[in-house]
Amino acid sequence: DAKTTQPPSMDCAEGRAANLPCNHSTISGNEYVYWYRQIHSQGPQYIIHGLKNNETNEMASLIITEDRKSSTLILPHATLRDTAVYYCIVRVGNNNAGNMLTFGGGTRLMVKP
Amino acid sequence: DGGITQSPKYLFRKEGQNVTLSCEQNLNHDAMYWYRQDPGQGLRLIYYSQIVNDFQKGDIAEGYSVSREKKESFPLTVTSAQKNPTAFYLCASSIWGRGANVLTFGAGSRLTVL
Repeated sequence: DAKTTQPPSMDCAEGRAANLPCNHSTISGNEYVYWYRQIHSQGPQYIIHGLKNNETNEMASLIITEDRKSSTLILPHATLRDTAVYYCIVRVGNNNAGNMLTFGGGTRLMVKP
Repeated sequence: DGGITQSPKYLFRKEGQNVTLSCEQNLNHDAMYWYRQDPGQGLRLIYYSQIVNDFQKGDIAEGYSVSREKKESFPLTVTSAQKNPTAFYLCASSIWGRGANVLTFGAGSRLTVL
């Protein structure tokens, strides 16, 4: 699986857009990019995923570069409740060994008033 | 509402005791997973199961055991052979098939060995 690199921590002002980068320079053509977040002492929560195209849902937008070697998760109007650890993961779909997602260290996002 | 229920939320154990963590899902998902999380760290896969009566070891299976007798249930036993069992344990489930795979997680069980 492609390894991901994320900054360990970021700050964002409340109400502003939070842009969380992820580098996955060794990603292969059939690997999806997933984003999850984990609020302190809770289970991770799925946010969004994509393969090649940019994606948007009610929580966030995912921008994937044309070469697919990096991506950015955008929270358009961050609130204090968005303070969490954000995990960027890449993984193939339909893997016979199990669709196991590997969660690394992630980015600790602190939204400040 | 559909989801995953883990119990207990908090558990204390004396050294040498086995404990079992419960995980139940009503999402009709085929696959279920157990992860372990240590303070300030990411998640590590313990065991996973793609189908009833079948399960596979993950990256850190030593000292743990599981069963999958029902589609809805995937209990994890932390045995006395696990040297450092104090951790946050997370259960997850997903559909099994082609395409992207999205995991749904439970709220977690925090085990402390006294």
